[in-house]
Amino acid sequence: AQTVTQSQPEMSVQEAETVTLSCTYDTSESNYYLFWYKQPPSRQMILVIRQEAYKQQNATENRFSVNFQKAAKSFSLKISDSQLGDTAMYFCALNFGNEKLTFGTGTRLTIIP
Amino acid sequence: EAQVTQNPRYLITVTGKKLTVTCSQNMNHEYMSWYRQDPGLGLRQIYYSMNVEATDKGDVPEGYKVSRKEKRNFPLILESPSPNQTSLYFCASSLWGGGQETQYFGPGTRLLVL
Repeated sequence: AQTVTQSQPEMSVQEAETVTLSCTYDTSESNYYLFWYKQPPSRQMILVIRQEAYKQQNATENRFSVNFQKAAKSFSLKISDSQLGDTAMYFCALNFGNEKLTFGTGTRLTIIP
Repeated sequence: EAQVTQNPRYLITVTGKKLTVTCSQNMNHEYMSWYRQDPGLGLRQIYYSMNVEATDKGDVPEGYKVSRKEKRNFPLILESPSPNQTSLYFCASSLWGGGQETQYFGPGTRLLVL
């Protein structure tokens, strides 16, 4: 069975600083996909970034980047120059090819003005 | 506008009263899924559908039913709701692409069962 673990239930950081959210996972599959979703107070689920396991290059999307360590089964999200609008719950998720997303329990991130 | 819609957005009901939460997508996606979100548990899959007339159980299917008679619609049915089904429900859809496709989520339905 696939599992996703987010060990930081809550984090806070000053505006404009950099913050890293951690995620580890366990799967016996060799090819899979990893995602970070953002859930702001509106409760909408918004895709932040995705990573294909067969790609060694870490994905980036503007201020968001990942540190993907396949051997360690680690997939952390780095948010640079954090903004007040980044305040949200962040979920790490794994998909190993059957379209089902396995989610972690989430990290509640607060950006402090 | 490409979107997944859910109705109702908020619902308060009583134990045992059958209800249906509708989900519709306008992106011609093959794959649709229902998740429930509970504090401290993240999102867990209830049921999913690979295409019309093709559905299967997810991780927490007990107490729920689904149907997929049209490609765009995937309703979630609670035939006899119980308080432990109080939750935030999300419908999602995507193309069928071996896991690489982005899943688009609806706005969520908050359900309270008294």
